[in-house]
Amino acid sequence: NAGVTQTPKFQVLKTGQSMTLQCAQDMNHNSMYWYRQDPGMGLRLIYYSASEGTTDKGEVPNGYNVSRLNKREFSLRLESAAPSQTSVYFCASSRDKVPHSYNEQFFGPGTRLTVL
Amino acid sequence: DAKTTQPPSMDCAEGRAANLPCNHSTISGNEYVYWYRQIHSQGPQYIIHGLKNNETNEMASLIITEDRKSSTLILPHATLRDTAVYYCIVTLEGAQKLVFGQGTRLTINP
Repeated sequence: NAGVTQTPKFQVLKTGQSMTLQCAQDMNHNSMYWYRQDPGMGLRLIYYSASEGTTDKGEVPNGYNVSRLNKREFSLRLESAAPSQTSVYFCASSRDKVPHSYNEQFFGPGTRLTVL
Repeated sequence: DAKTTQPPSMDCAEGRAANLPCNHSTISGNEYVYWYRQIHSQGPQYIIHGLKNNETNEMASLIITEDRKSSTLILPHATLRDTAVYYCIVTLEGAQKLVFGQGTRLTINP
């Protein structure tokens, strides 16, 4: 199992450019998440998808859109990149909430994005 | 979700037990304490979680005080590979949102 994979690993954009970050998981998880991590800070949730076909806003959704393409894939799109979006982006996945169980999140390796 | 307070940094000698404290004085009765760690800018990794009883797994032990207002993560025999940022998170079981604070940067020294 590859777990959670993210592409690309690194990206440099100019202000105003758009791009899509890709995430895929092979663990048959129902829930997927996008976080960003700024230097010296903890992770902040951007968007999440509790199941295929649903998405919800997290703590910092402005400037981003997401698509849950299928159960395996969850993409994050920056329509018009800004320098404030320079960050490391992590994708994660987890099982559905089930009774008497916990919901460990599995994280990908991250995408390092710089917006000039 | 309850707020947590952790020291910003700690040091520990290799081979010794590393004890990482976390205060969560506003925790509610149905909230769990989770610990994750992040090694050198990799994605975070789940370590352990608990409600009120002490827990142990192959990675660590979690000691939760009787009033549940604080907890300690114990790495029994720390190695250099345990150098990481450790995050204490309080949340409902199965909650889909994890709120990461700034964590504790643990450095294991040879």
